[in-house]
Amino acid sequence: DAKTTQPPSMDCAEGRAANLPCNHSTISGNEYVYWYRQIHSQGPQYIIHGLKNNETNEMASLIITEDRKSSTLILPHATLRDTAVYYCIVRGSGGSYIPTFGRGTSLIVHP
Amino acid sequence: DAGVIQSPRHEVTEMGQEVTLRCKPISGHDYLFWYRQTMMRGLELLIYFNNNVPIDDSGMPEDRFSAKMPNASFSTLKIQPSEPRDSAVYFCASSQGTATDTQYFGPGTRLTVL
Repeated sequence: DAKTTQPPSMDCAEGRAANLPCNHSTISGNEYVYWYRQIHSQGPQYIIHGLKNNETNEMASLIITEDRKSSTLILPHATLRDTAVYYCIVRGSGGSYIPTFGRGTSLIVHP
Repeated sequence: DAGVIQSPRHEVTEMGQEVTLRCKPISGHDYLFWYRQTMMRGLELLIYFNNNVPIDDSGMPEDRFSAKMPNASFSTLKIQPSEPRDSAVYFCASSQGTATDTQYFGPGTRLTVL
């Protein structure tokens, strides 16, 4: 199963875009990229996922490179409530593959 | 839907006591997962069920831990006897359909073993 690498921490000014990178150089063709976040003391929350194409929803955008070896989660206008740990996960389609949550990136949004 | 429900939210017990954590998944979800989170080890998968059947329990730390899912709407994680090193936040999550489906997490149970 593909592993991911994320920076341990980042910070961002409120109102600016937060760009969170993730490397998944061993990803295989049928594996999706998922992003979750965990706000302090709460359960992880799903944000977005994608396979090849860029994706956007009401929370964020996901940019996946053409070779699929890396991706970036974009929070277009970060707020203080976006302060959280963000996890990048790759998951296979079908079978019994279950995601492994690494350490993630601790994002601090400051005023 | 109310989401994944876990109880209790907080549990404080003494070493050697039995602890039972409870989870109600989202209705219609076929998969149920139990995770443990500590500062040292992060978020670890303990066990997961598909259609009430345990599929992979390789993450269960030792025989003191057991999990059951008697029906589609209820699961328990039991620790007997509990030890201080079991202190952690335990999360239950559920998902629908295949392995690519989104997991929805409960609020967690914070367990403290004295």
